[in-house]
Amino acid sequence: DGGITQSPKYLFRKEGQNVTLSCEQNLNHDAMYWYRQDPGQGLRLIYYSQIVNDFQKGDIAEGYSVSREKKESFPLTVTSAQKNPTAFYLCASSAGTGIVLEQFFGPGTRLTVL
Amino acid sequence: QQPVQSPQAVILREGEDAVINCSSSKALYSVHWYRQKHGEAPVFLMILLKGGEQKGHDKISASFNEKKQQSSLYLTASQLSYSGTYFCGTEIWSVGAAGNKLTFGGGTRVLVKP
Repeated sequence: DGGITQSPKYLFRKEGQNVTLSCEQNLNHDAMYWYRQDPGQGLRLIYYSQIVNDFQKGDIAEGYSVSREKKESFPLTVTSAQKNPTAFYLCASSAGTGIVLEQFFGPGTRLTVL
Repeated sequence: QQPVQSPQAVILREGEDAVINCSSSKALYSVHWYRQKHGEAPVFLMILLKGGEQKGHDKISASFNEKKQQSSLYLTASQLSYSGTYFCGTEIWSVGAAGNKLTFGGGTRVLVKP
């Protein structure tokens, strides 16, 4: 079955540590996105990528980094520079480039920084 | 700039109707609607392109008023399964290689009671 996988589902880290969240898709989609969701809030865009080896900052990119070395993979690193990293992180992909088509979301990773 | 959704929450009895609004201060290329159940990933409902075309998904339909930069989601004869948080995502046309992105509203919580 085609879809998006994110791992792990829950992640606990100590303050000051970098942590990398995995996102893999087998939908052959060109575009991939990372969103952050805080309790009771909407989705805020962190980074997005339309093609391999290229990515763009979203609305809240500070304290995060990404890479897109393969079409199917778009890992997100939450660095120690992110002041309040505890949140629900969602990865999504869509078929188109340029315009935004239907986005398919992964199950999310809930990150808690202690 | 984040689109504004209203109301923030609505409680319905099974079979009742509701309208959720999404307004933007910018000229929009498209509006997307997603539904998220508690603790799960958002699920795509529909896309409306500028032109005011009304679309439907089961008994959920939506419209897009290009002049007002406003979209409305209509929940007709609501079912228990309609409970969740509804998000609109707005797309603004972007010139350049970065491609377009979605900006999500804060969400509308819908609770359908028996």
